[in-house]
Amino acid sequence: AQSVTQLGSHVSVSEGALVLLRCNYSSSVPPYLFWYVQYPNQGLQLLLKYTSAATLVKGINGFEAEFKKSETSFHLTKPSAHMSDAAEYFCAVSAPGLTGGGNKLTFGTGTQLKVEL
Amino acid sequence: DTAVSQTPKYLVTQMGNDKSIKCEQNLGHDTMYWYKQDSKKFLKIMFSYNNKELIINETVPNRFSPKSPDKAHLNLHINSLELGDSAVYFCASTRQGEETQYFGPGTRLLVL
Repeated sequence: AQSVTQLGSHVSVSEGALVLLRCNYSSSVPPYLFWYVQYPNQGLQLLLKYTSAATLVKGINGFEAEFKKSETSFHLTKPSAHMSDAAEYFCAVSAPGLTGGGNKLTFGTGTQLKVEL
Repeated sequence: DTAVSQTPKYLVTQMGNDKSIKCEQNLGHDTMYWYKQDSKKFLKIMFSYNNKELIINETVPNRFSPKSPDKAHLNLHINSLELGDSAVYFCASTRQGEETQYFGPGTRLLVL
């Protein structure tokens, strides 16, 4: 079984400040990890993913995340926030190779990012 | 455009009605999913089909019945709608063996 915990349902940063969104996971097998972004009234867009290659993953819009097995974490960062980054961010885990799982995504509860002037 | 599309985008209906949501992907994928996002924005998988075969069936009331007429389509029929069915329903697709799921824009269902 797999699960995801996102610490902080709401994060507020100033424009230009560092963005840090936290994600911890639990998985019975080596996981795949994802960050998705959801803008208001829209669908989910993939920001980046970890699939057992490089532990530091770069995504779109200047975001990156680092897979830390020892900490079971996959935190999302961006050096400098922009107003357009305001959205809901979801961390998700899948467990490749689990039979019958069909590679389903298990999502965290989401973090609403607010960017202030 | 290549994408995952859903119809309708918005659906407002009365309790007790039966409704369907349609999903189509033209990405050549063979695995499709339905997810439900509740009012607190929590996303949870409902069903998954691979090559028209049901492979994931989470704990969902049997009022919900998915149907996959072919690899490119996955529809969701809901009988006897209840207030608690109000949510955003997302369709997603992937190719078996690949890890990334591509999501549709969602169908916003409101049951009155």
